[in-house]
Amino acid sequence: NAGVTQTPKFRVLKTGQSMTLLCAQDMNHEYMYWYRQDPGMGLRLIHYSVGEGTTAKGEVPDGYNVSRLKKQNFLLGLESAAPSQTSVYFCASSYPRETSSYEQYFGPGTRLTVT
Amino acid sequence: RKEVEQDPGPFNVPEGATVAFNCTYSNSASQSFFWYRQDCRKEPKLLMSVYSSGNEDGRFTAQLNRASQYISLLIRDSKLSDSATYLCVVGPPGGGNKLTFGTGTQLKVEL
Repeated sequence: NAGVTQTPKFRVLKTGQSMTLLCAQDMNHEYMYWYRQDPGMGLRLIHYSVGEGTTAKGEVPDGYNVSRLKKQNFLLGLESAAPSQTSVYFCASSYPRETSSYEQYFGPGTRLTVT
Repeated sequence: RKEVEQDPGPFNVPEGATVAFNCTYSNSASQSFFWYRQDCRKEPKLLMSVYSSGNEDGRFTAQLNRASQYISLLIRDSKLSDSATYLCVVGPPGGGNKLTFGTGTQLKVEL
């Protein structure tokens, strides 16, 4: 199993450009999450999904959109990038129904710089 | 008050030392507690869950004090490979999957 994978690993954007970050998991997890991690701020939840076709806002959703058209994929979109969105973005997944475990498994992260 | 608070460190300890980290949480109704480990420029990974009765995994011991709303992590016989940032993580009241992460405590184990 690959676990949770993220593409791309690195990206540099100019202010105003758009991009989509892709997260994929092969563990049949029900829940998926997008976080951003900034120095001194810890991990902050952007959006999450409790199942295919459903999404919900987290702590810092402004400037981001998400979609979960397939159970294994969770996409994070930046429509008009701003320098404040320079961060490391982590995707995570959890809750295989057969175990009811809340442990979250993380992808390797995407380092995004907006100039 | 932050939902989850940790001393950022760094804690610099010699190899073989015992080191302890504490973490406080603000919501007394929180149901689940975890310690995650994050290596430099890597993703967080679950180190251990924290149970009400306390639990041990090799050199690592986690304890929960609900009355004082803190959890602790004790590392015995520190190894160089233990150098990392340790994240205190708290689940929501009533259970569920929206975890709140602390900012982490940095540990550096030295020769």
